[in-house]
Amino acid sequence: GAVVSQHPSRVICKSGTSVKIECRSLDFQATTMFWYRQFPKQSLMLMATSNEGSKATYEQGVEKDKFLINHASLTLSTLTVTSAHPEDSSFYICSAKGDPGWSEAFFGQGTRLTVV
Amino acid sequence: DQQVKQNSPSLSVQEGRISILNCDYTNSMFDYFLWYKKYPAEGPTFLISISSIKDKNEDGRFTVFLNKSAKHLSLHIVPSQPGDSAVYFCAASARNNNDMRFGAGTRLTVKP
Repeated sequence: GAVVSQHPSRVICKSGTSVKIECRSLDFQATTMFWYRQFPKQSLMLMATSNEGSKATYEQGVEKDKFLINHASLTLSTLTVTSAHPEDSSFYICSAKGDPGWSEAFFGQGTRLTVV
Repeated sequence: DQQVKQNSPSLSVQEGRISILNCDYTNSMFDYFLWYKKYPAEGPTFLISISSIKDKNEDGRFTVFLNKSAKHLSLHIVPSQPGDSAVYFCAASARNNNDMRFGAGTRLTVKP
Protein backbone atom coordinates (compact mmCIF):
# COMPACT_ATOMS: atom_id res chain seq x y z
CA GLY A 1 0.00 0.00 0.00
CA ALA A 2 0.90 3.65 -0.25
CA VAL A 3 3.08 5.15 2.46
CA VAL A 4 2.28 8.25 4.47
CA SER A 5 4.88 9.58 6.84
CA GLN A 6 4.01 11.87 9.72
CA HIS A 7 6.55 13.80 11.73
CA PRO A 8 7.22 14.20 14.58
CA SER A 9 5.80 11.14 16.29
CA ARG A 10 5.95 12.84 19.68
CA VAL A 11 6.30 16.44 20.68
CA ILE A 12 6.17 18.24 23.99
CA CYS A 13 5.79 21.99 23.94
CA LYS A 14 5.19 24.79 26.37
CA SER A 15 1.82 26.44 26.66
CA GLY A 16 1.56 29.42 24.33
CA THR A 17 3.99 28.14 21.72
CA SER A 18 3.17 26.80 18.27
CA VAL A 19 3.82 23.32 16.95
CA LYS A 20 3.99 22.17 13.35
CA ILE A 21 3.19 18.62 12.30
CA GLU A 22 4.14 17.39 8.85
CA CYS A 23 2.39 14.79 6.76
CA ARG A 24 4.08 13.48 3.63
CA SER A 25 2.95 11.02 1.01
CA LEU A 26 6.13 9.17 0.08
CA ASP A 27 5.21 7.21 -3.00
CA PHE A 28 2.14 8.88 -4.41
CA GLN A 29 0.73 12.31 -5.01
CA ALA A 30 -1.88 13.16 -2.41
CA THR A 31 -4.58 15.30 -3.92
CA THR A 32 -6.44 15.27 -0.64
CA MET A 33 -5.20 15.09 2.92
CA PHE A 34 -7.22 14.74 6.07
CA TRP A 35 -6.34 15.71 9.60
CA TYR A 36 -7.85 13.87 12.53
CA ARG A 37 -7.66 14.19 16.26
CA GLN A 38 -8.15 11.29 18.62
CA PHE A 39 -8.98 11.74 22.26
CA PRO A 40 -8.33 8.89 24.70
CA LYS A 41 -10.72 6.00 24.13
CA GLN A 42 -12.57 7.97 21.50
CA SER A 43 -12.95 7.86 17.78
CA LEU A 44 -11.06 9.73 15.14
CA MET A 45 -12.50 13.19 14.87
CA LEU A 46 -12.10 14.74 11.44
CA MET A 47 -10.71 18.23 11.85
CA ALA A 48 -10.27 19.34 8.28
CA THR A 49 -9.87 18.26 4.70
CA SER A 50 -7.31 19.90 2.47
CA ASN A 51 -6.85 19.77 -1.26
CA GLU A 52 -3.53 20.71 -2.80
CA GLY A 53 -3.30 24.38 -3.59
CA SER A 54 -6.56 25.39 -1.97
CA LYS A 55 -7.74 26.33 1.48
CA ALA A 56 -8.64 23.61 3.90
CA THR A 57 -12.24 22.85 4.71
CA TYR A 58 -12.70 22.75 8.46
CA GLU A 59 -15.28 20.74 10.31
CA GLN A 60 -17.77 22.50 12.49
CA GLY A 61 -16.32 23.42 15.84
CA VAL A 62 -12.70 23.33 14.71
CA GLU A 63 -10.98 26.70 15.00
CA LYS A 64 -9.23 27.39 11.74
CA ASP A 65 -7.12 30.17 13.25
CA LYS A 66 -5.86 27.79 15.87
CA PHE A 67 -5.26 24.79 13.66
CA LEU A 68 -3.57 26.10 10.54
CA ILE A 69 -3.44 23.67 7.66
CA ASN A 70 -1.27 24.13 4.62
CA HIS A 71 -1.32 21.73 1.67
CA ALA A 72 1.30 23.44 -0.43
CA SER A 73 2.32 20.50 -2.57
CA LEU A 74 1.01 17.15 -3.71
CA THR A 75 3.20 15.38 -1.19
CA LEU A 76 3.11 17.58 1.88
CA SER A 77 0.51 18.94 4.23
CA THR A 78 1.22 20.62 7.54
CA LEU A 79 -0.88 21.21 10.62
CA THR A 80 0.25 24.00 12.92
CA VAL A 81 -1.26 24.19 16.36
CA THR A 82 -0.93 27.85 17.28
CA SER A 83 -0.69 29.15 20.83
CA ALA A 84 -1.04 25.66 22.16
CA HIS A 85 -2.76 25.01 25.47
CA PRO A 86 -2.88 21.87 27.60
CA GLU A 87 -6.34 21.04 26.26
CA ASP A 88 -4.80 20.75 22.80
CA SER A 89 -2.84 17.74 24.02
CA SER A 90 -3.98 14.86 21.90
CA PHE A 91 -3.07 12.34 19.23
CA TYR A 92 -3.16 13.92 15.78
CA ILE A 93 -3.28 11.74 12.68
CA CYS A 94 -3.14 12.61 9.03
CA SER A 95 -4.30 10.58 6.07
CA ALA A 96 -3.96 11.04 2.35
CA LYS A 97 -5.74 10.01 -0.80
CA GLY A 98 -4.27 10.06 -4.27
CA ASP A 99 -6.23 10.49 -7.45
CA PRO A 100 -9.87 11.37 -6.75
CA GLY A 101 -10.73 7.92 -8.00
CA TRP A 102 -8.96 6.40 -5.04
CA SER A 103 -11.25 5.23 -2.33
CA GLU A 104 -8.73 4.18 0.29
CA ALA A 105 -6.99 6.72 2.43
CA PHE A 106 -3.64 5.90 3.94
CA PHE A 107 -2.69 7.06 7.37
CA GLY A 108 0.41 8.46 8.94
CA GLN A 109 1.77 7.11 12.18
CA GLY A 110 0.24 9.86 14.25
CA THR A 111 1.71 12.57 16.46
CA ARG A 112 1.34 12.61 20.22
CA LEU A 113 1.24 16.26 21.26
CA THR A 114 1.66 17.14 24.91
CA VAL A 115 1.34 20.76 25.94
CA VAL A 116 2.78 21.53 29.37
CA ASP B 1 -23.82 14.46 13.26
CA GLN B 2 -22.69 10.87 13.37
CA GLN B 3 -23.11 9.52 9.90
CA VAL B 4 -21.26 6.33 10.72
CA LYS B 5 -21.99 4.47 13.91
CA GLN B 6 -20.35 1.61 15.68
CA ASN B 7 -22.60 0.95 18.62
CA SER B 8 -20.41 -1.61 20.36
CA PRO B 9 -17.41 0.05 21.98
CA SER B 10 -15.85 -3.29 22.79
CA LEU B 11 -15.98 -6.97 21.91
CA SER B 12 -14.26 -9.91 23.50
CA VAL B 13 -13.98 -13.31 21.82
CA GLN B 14 -12.05 -16.50 22.35
CA GLU B 15 -9.18 -17.39 20.08
CA GLY B 16 -10.35 -19.48 17.17
CA ARG B 17 -13.92 -18.22 17.29
CA ILE B 18 -15.55 -15.72 14.99
CA SER B 19 -15.44 -11.98 15.66
CA ILE B 20 -18.26 -9.92 14.21
CA LEU B 21 -17.96 -6.15 14.24
CA ASN B 22 -20.92 -4.08 13.18
CA CYS B 23 -21.34 -0.68 11.61
CA ASP B 24 -24.35 1.39 10.57
CA TYR B 25 -24.49 4.48 8.41
CA THR B 26 -27.12 7.06 7.71
CA ASN B 27 -25.97 8.85 4.56
CA SER B 28 -27.32 7.12 1.47
CA MET B 29 -24.70 8.89 -0.65
CA PHE B 30 -21.98 6.68 0.81
CA ASP B 31 -20.95 4.10 -1.74
CA TYR B 32 -17.65 2.82 -0.48
CA PHE B 33 -16.96 1.34 2.90
CA LEU B 34 -13.72 0.50 4.62
CA TRP B 35 -12.45 -1.11 7.76
CA TYR B 36 -9.30 0.07 9.47
CA LYS B 37 -7.38 -1.52 12.29
CA LYS B 38 -5.59 0.58 14.85
CA TYR B 39 -3.06 -0.21 17.55
CA PRO B 40 -2.38 2.26 20.38
CA ALA B 41 -0.20 5.23 19.44
CA GLU B 42 -0.21 4.28 15.77
CA GLY B 43 -2.14 5.44 12.75
CA PRO B 44 -4.93 3.21 11.43
CA THR B 45 -4.04 0.68 8.78
CA PHE B 46 -6.35 -0.26 5.98
CA LEU B 47 -7.83 -3.72 6.32
CA ILE B 48 -10.57 -4.37 3.80
CA SER B 49 -13.14 -2.48 1.80
CA ILE B 50 -16.32 -2.98 -0.15
CA SER B 51 -18.05 -1.07 -2.88
CA SER B 52 -21.79 -0.55 -2.78
CA ILE B 53 -22.19 -2.65 -5.90
CA LYS B 54 -21.20 -5.70 -3.88
CA ASP B 55 -22.63 -7.30 -0.81
CA LYS B 56 -19.60 -9.30 0.22
CA ASN B 57 -15.85 -9.05 -0.02
CA GLU B 58 -13.49 -11.63 1.37
CA ASP B 59 -9.76 -11.45 2.04
CA GLY B 60 -8.32 -14.36 3.93
CA ARG B 61 -9.73 -14.44 7.43
CA PHE B 62 -11.56 -11.16 6.90
CA THR B 63 -14.94 -10.80 5.24
CA VAL B 64 -17.00 -7.66 4.99
CA PHE B 65 -20.74 -7.86 4.38
CA LEU B 66 -22.83 -4.96 3.17
CA ASN B 67 -26.59 -4.65 3.48
CA LYS B 68 -27.49 -1.50 1.58
CA SER B 69 -31.18 -1.58 2.36
CA ALA B 70 -30.42 -1.68 6.07
CA LYS B 71 -27.43 0.67 5.73
CA HIS B 72 -25.42 -1.83 7.68
CA LEU B 73 -22.10 -3.50 7.25
CA SER B 74 -20.17 -5.97 9.29
CA LEU B 75 -16.66 -7.32 9.49
CA HIS B 76 -16.19 -11.00 10.20
CA ILE B 77 -12.87 -12.33 11.38
CA VAL B 78 -12.54 -16.08 11.48
CA PRO B 79 -10.71 -17.67 13.08
CA SER B 80 -9.88 -14.86 15.49
CA GLN B 81 -6.29 -14.64 16.70
CA PRO B 82 -4.79 -12.78 19.69
CA GLY B 83 -2.90 -10.56 17.24
CA ASP B 84 -6.24 -9.31 15.97
CA SER B 85 -6.75 -7.47 19.25
CA ALA B 86 -6.98 -3.80 18.29
CA VAL B 87 -9.50 -1.06 17.70
CA TYR B 88 -11.43 -1.44 14.47
CA PHE B 89 -12.85 1.58 12.72
CA CYS B 90 -15.53 1.49 10.10
CA ALA B 91 -15.37 4.25 7.50
CA ALA B 92 -17.61 5.36 4.68
CA SER B 93 -17.06 7.60 1.73
CA ALA B 94 -18.76 8.82 -1.40
CA ARG B 95 -16.84 8.55 -4.65
CA ASN B 96 -18.07 11.90 -5.91
CA ASN B 97 -16.28 13.73 -3.15
CA ASN B 98 -13.30 13.22 -0.94
CA ASP B 99 -15.14 13.03 2.34
CA MET B 100 -14.53 10.04 4.59
CA ARG B 101 -16.32 9.51 7.87
CA PHE B 102 -15.38 7.18 10.67
CA GLY B 103 -17.33 5.35 13.28
CA ALA B 104 -16.38 5.52 16.95
CA GLY B 105 -14.43 2.29 16.79
CA THR B 106 -14.81 -1.10 18.45
CA ARG B 107 -12.08 -2.46 20.65
CA LEU B 108 -11.65 -6.15 19.90
CA THR B 109 -9.96 -8.39 22.43
CA VAL B 110 -9.15 -11.93 21.39
CA LYS B 111 -8.36 -14.10 24.38
CA PRO B 112 -5.94 -17.01 24.05
